[in-house]
Amino acid sequence: DIQMTQSLSSLSASVGDRVTITCRASQSISSHLNWYQQTPGKAPKLLIYAASSLQSGVPSRFSGTASGTDFTLTISSLQPEDFATYYCQQSYSIPWTFGQGTEVEIK
Amino acid sequence: DVQLVETGGDLIQPGGSLRLSCAASGFTVNSNYMSWVRQVPGRGLEWVSVIYSGGSTYYADSVKGRFTISRDNSKNTLYLQMNSLRAEDTAVYFCARAPPQVRGGRFDYWGQGTLVTVSS
Repeated sequence: DIQMTQSLSSLSASVGDRVTITCRASQSISSHLNWYQQTPGKAPKLLIYAASSLQSGVPSRFSGTASGTDFTLTISSLQPEDFATYYCQQSYSIPWTFGQGTEVEIK
Repeated sequence: DVQLVETGGDLIQPGGSLRLSCAASGFTVNSNYMSWVRQVPGRGLEWVSVIYSGGSTYYADSVKGRFTISRDNSKNTLYLQMNSLRAEDTAVYFCARAPPQVRGGRFDYWGQGTLVTVSS
């Protein structure tokens, strides 16, 4: 199975900050990497697919990049509604696997 | 509008069985890859199973041989039959849609989830 590792389980940031969340795959997954946002009591929401494609309806302050097996989700200017937990997920091979999540907290 | 509504979650004793349903609207279940993803409250996400548009099914090792995914095209509904339930199966179960494509496991629509609690 492919392991997805998000190095930070949580980070603190302020409104307006630029926030970067990282995720590493245990082997090559090409660009088959997706990012989700989840707030408490809600279902996850797809933000980015194929490493860097913005899902329809998602604000352009969210972006994704890839370098080998390292992937990054960037929020260019953190908004109050962005305080949530973010998960990466590989869709390269079954079993599809998620990172453990990075919670973005209010500083 | 696309909508997924899960039902069937309950408190069940270890060793018991339960069937979850996910009613879809706004698209056809049999034209997409449909999955179940679960989440222990306060923990991360775990993919459970998928049924491809062509009918092939796959499972996480943790549920293989105990869970069965299926769909009823006439009702546009996805199911998860869960047998031999264990305490570690306790979680919120989400159904999710993935567009049918090569390596197509990106979940663009999710249901609200249904809670399964396995406890005596």
